[in-house]
Amino acid sequence: DIQMTQSPSSLSASVGDRVTITCRASQSINSDLNWYQQKPGKAPNLLIYAASSLQSGVPSRFSGSGSGTDFTLTISSLQPEDFATYYCQQSFSTWTFGHGTKVEIK
Amino acid sequence: QITLKESGPPLVRPTQTLTLTCTFSGFSLSTNGVGVGWVRQPPGKALEWLALIYWDDDQRYSPSLRRRLTITKDTSKSQVVLTVTDMDPVDTATYFCAHGSRHFDWSFDYWGQGTLVTVSS
Repeated sequence: DIQMTQSPSSLSASVGDRVTITCRASQSINSDLNWYQQKPGKAPNLLIYAASSLQSGVPSRFSGSGSGTDFTLTISSLQPEDFATYYCQQSFSTWTFGHGTKVEIK
Repeated sequence: QITLKESGPPLVRPTQTLTLTCTFSGFSLSTNGVGVGWVRQPPGKALEWLALIYWDDDQRYSPSLRRRLTITKDTSKSQVVLTVTDMDPVDTATYFCAHGSRHFDWSFDYWGQGTLVTVSS
């Protein structure tokens, strides 16, 4: 099984801050890494697929980078609607989610 | 427009078998490069992938739950069914179905609203 380790598990930030979340795979997954945003009581929403491709309709302040085992999701200027939990997911060999990063208001 | 909706019992007893149905529209599960998967989320916890069925009827399962899961499709009804045997209180979760495609690197680009299943005697 491929394990996904996200960090941090939570963070506090202010509107306008630049936020970075990292995800590490237990083995190389090429660029088969996806990022989701989830708000309480809602289904996850796909933000980034294939490590760096922005899903249609997702604001350009979201970006993804990385390949192999190390990946990053960046929110360039945090907006009020971005306070949520973020998950990475590998799709290289079946699927595995990270444990999530909760972004809270400072 | 792609939509998915989960249906199933809100309450199951321990040791019973759970049967969940995902009814979808806006795509065909006979189209090359398409799949439907199941993901669950215990209250307050992380997402966990369970299973996925491809357009060609190939199936993939979570290794830790493989012996308890079965996923099938009925293309004519636009439905995917997941069965989970030997339910336990730790299986209490919201169960989601989701659309995946090769075009988007097998990410899950459309999701159902989820259905909460509680396991209790």
